Amino acid sequence: AQRVTQPEKLLSVFKGAPVELKCNYSYSGSPELFWYVQYSRQRLQLLLRHISRESIKGFTADLNKGETSFHLKKPFAQEEDSAMYYCALRGMDSNYQLIWGAGTKLIIKP
Amino acid sequence: GAGVSQTPSNKVTEKGKYVELRCDPISGHTALYWYRQSLGQGPEFLIYFQGTGAADDSGLPNDRFFAVRPEGSVSTLKIQRTERGDSAMYLCASSSLTRKNTGELFFGEGSRLTVL
Repeated sequence: AQRVTQPEKLLSVFKGAPVELKCNYSYSGSPELFWYVQYSRQRLQLLLRHISRESIKGFTADLNKGETSFHLKKPFAQEEDSAMYYCALRGMDSNYQLIWGAGTKLIIKP
Repeated sequence: GAGVSQTPSNKVTEKGKYVELRCDPISGHTALYWYRQSLGQGPEFLIYFQGTGAADDSGLPNDRFFAVRPEGSVSTLKIQRTERGDSAMYLCASSSLTRKNTGELFFGEGSRLTVL
């Protein structure tokens, strides 16, 4: 079964500290993985996709097929990173449906 | 409009009543999605439209839920005989033909439904 697991409901770190938001997935084929973010009082929006292999707002995420993980990382957290982060998966045979994790609330303490 | 618009932003209704939630996607976006999000959960897929037709309605929980998109733009999610368990945030998202393949969805702010 397709599944996305974000084991941490809440993650709290100090400003300037490294951040790692965990995402594990279960999928039998080749998935596409995404991170979406929702800042306070804003709508859900795409942060980054594994295919583009880009760094957005200092965040990166590497798809590890061996460990079936797609953890989101940032070396130095900033207060404006506080938000709800969702990991999502799309199977290669599905060009529209995303399977979502439950989300991790990231709080950056000053 | 500049983004996906959803109305109403909040809806409180009584058990057994009929509810309609509206989504106005980004102009030109052919793909439209409805999701339901309960507290502490990620979005749960309900239905996907490509143009006017429902390409996949496998996420609709039961026959009390129905959605239409008659002109390929605005969509309405309809819930009959509402139950307390229907209380959730209902999210709409749209995507262009090219963006659909990148997986980028553009979300509205959601309609929060509370069934008393």
